[in-house]
Amino acid sequence: QKEVEQNSGPLSVPEGAIASLNCTYSDRVSQSFFWYRQYSGKSPELIMSIYSNGDKEDGRFTAQLNKASQYVSLLIRDSQPSDSATYLCAGGLAGGYNKLIFGAGTRLAVHP
Amino acid sequence: DAEITQSPRHKITETGRQVTLACHQTWNHNNMFWYRQDLGHGLRLIHYSYGVHDTNKGEVSDGYSVSRSNTEDLPLTLESAASSQTSVYFCASTAGTGTSDTQYFGPGTRLTVL
Repeated sequence: QKEVEQNSGPLSVPEGAIASLNCTYSDRVSQSFFWYRQYSGKSPELIMSIYSNGDKEDGRFTAQLNKASQYVSLLIRDSQPSDSATYLCAGGLAGGYNKLIFGAGTRLAVHP
Repeated sequence: DAEITQSPRHKITETGRQVTLACHQTWNHNNMFWYRQDLGHGLRLIHYSYGVHDTNKGEVSDGYSVSRSNTEDLPLTLESAASSQTSVYFCASTAGTGTSDTQYFGPGTRLTVL
């Protein structure tokens, strides 16, 4: 099992819909999680972080963490074509100071 | 504005040559990281540093080395470039040492080894 797993996609959603991106993680990964957005040919940029069980909302984005199921998700409401990108899930390595383990990313395509 | 830069942005080299990729940050962050990104693998950690003269190996460190002589720079050297090292390389930095600290990424270097 990979330490952080994501479905590679592409996930295709119509404009205005809710996009749901999912990520599972192994025991080696700690309880700090990050969602990065990466446009083609660009560097990753942080959009959300979550450390506690439950939901965290920031504008159109909601991150959800379920420690019992080792599952973290990102919901994007009112999806826009500009949200089309690859979304990387990352978790802190347990006992690993501030080292991050990244998933392979999910490609999201929002079509008009 | 404070930032993190990488150079060159694109590099083509031949197998067996030594290559150095530069990373420079002006945030005065103690912690710096080098990743490579390949299709299907996401970002994988090559080397990292928690301060001047400190370097540590990541999960894919074979064939790479780093040195940290000042806070701002962490150059990545490929001792003898191999085709398997064709990739996009990202440098990142963070101020704190906890797993909750945000890593900020440079623009990346696309390296092709022929």
